[in-house]
Formats: sequence, C-alpha cells, structure tokens
Amino acid sequence: SQELEQSPQSLIVQEGKNLTINCTSSKTLYGLYWYKQKYGEGLIFLMMLQKGGEEKSHEKITAKLDEKKQQSSLHITASQPSHAGIYLCGAVLYSGGGADGLTFGKGTHLIIQP
Amino acid sequence: NAGVTQTPKFQVLKTGQSMTLQCAQDMNHEYMSWYRQDPGMGLRLIHYSVGAGITDQGEVPNGYNVSRSTTEDFPLRLLSAAPSQTSVYFCASSDSGRRTQYFGPGTRLLVL
Repeated sequence: SQELEQSPQSLIVQEGKNLTINCTSSKTLYGLYWYKQKYGEGLIFLMMLQKGGEEKSHEKITAKLDEKKQQSSLHITASQPSHAGIYLCGAVLYSGGGADGLTFGKGTHLIIQP
Repeated sequence: NAGVTQTPKFQVLKTGQSMTLQCAQDMNHEYMSWYRQDPGMGLRLIHYSVGAGITDQGEVPNGYNVSRSTTEDFPLRLLSAAPSQTSVYFCASSDSGRRTQYFGPGTRLLVL
C-alpha cells in the first residue's frame, strides 16, 4: 500500500477559486515537503513543515501540518493559471531522516480553467 | 550558482545498452539522491549519497549503480538497459541540514 496518499489525484478549478490538496501518511511524519512540478520540468520546492500545527504561507499558497492525523494540506487562494501543474508531497518517515531521502506521494494534477 | 544540473536531457537506448546519467551540483551539498518518476507511481528513490565515497540503496536500486568520488558529482549508471527503466530521472541535492532538497531538470530516458 502507498505510504503517502495524495488527494485528489487531479483537480480542475476555475480561475479565481480556492482549492485544497491533501497528503496523508500511514506512518509517523518527521517532516513534510511540498513541491510543484510543471509538466516536463523539474521539481520546485514550495515549503517544508516539521512541527505539528505548523502553518506556512508563500504568496497565495498555505500549507498546514496536522501531526495527530499524520496529514498535511495545501491550500491555494484565488487560483491563477500560474498555479497549474503537479503538486507533490514528500515525507520524512523515520526519525533522524532528512530531505535527502523523501518518500513521495503520486502527485495531484491541477488544471486552472480561465 | 547553476544549482543541480543533469545531462543529457533526453536519451534513447536499445535494450542491453549501457549509459551514464550525469548529475552535478555547485552548492557544496553533502547529500545527493537519484529518483525515477513514472506515471501512477510517483517519485521513487533509487540511490542516495551522504557524502563523497558513501552511497546507499533506496527503494528501487536494482539495475542501477552509483558512485560518489567528488562532492559535486553523482553519476547514475545503467549497466544493461531494460524497457522497464524507461522513465524520467531526477537528481537532487541537500545541504548538511537536510531541510531543503533541490532538484535537477530531469533526464527523460526511453529504452526500446
């Protein structure tokens, strides 16, 4: 079974609308990373969460970590065409681990309709 | 800084051929990793290195070799390519704090 589940797998949102992507782990989270990937390109680091209840924002993107639920959510406010792409969560699933050996979810494909 | 660079960007191989995917970083990062990305499978860790001279296996190491003779370079070798190795390969690096991982642009490999 997949250790890190992302939902939804794909998402079509009208420009200007808000959206949320979830990432749920079957194991204890020691760190959670969010990346964005444009089609055919590499991964761009968005933000990293480490402590339960932690919340970080960058421009119109906010990520939260719920340690008890072993879950993170990524929320985009007032979506724009530039937000389109694949969003991946990567997790540190063992104590002492770091960003060098993440376990990734399968990704969420986000399409923004004008 | 160029960050993490990968060559080639695209490669077509025949079954049984060998090749080396190059990865270099100019950030003096200790940690480097190789991932493959496949539709429906996400990113999976192939091999990683915690410093020059030290490498270890990830989730899907079979069919791949790595070495780390310098801090900057972390090549991935396919000794005898198989169609199952058709994928997009990403190299990444992290500093000693391992709080952020930077990815290269990827190499698209097609094995016929």
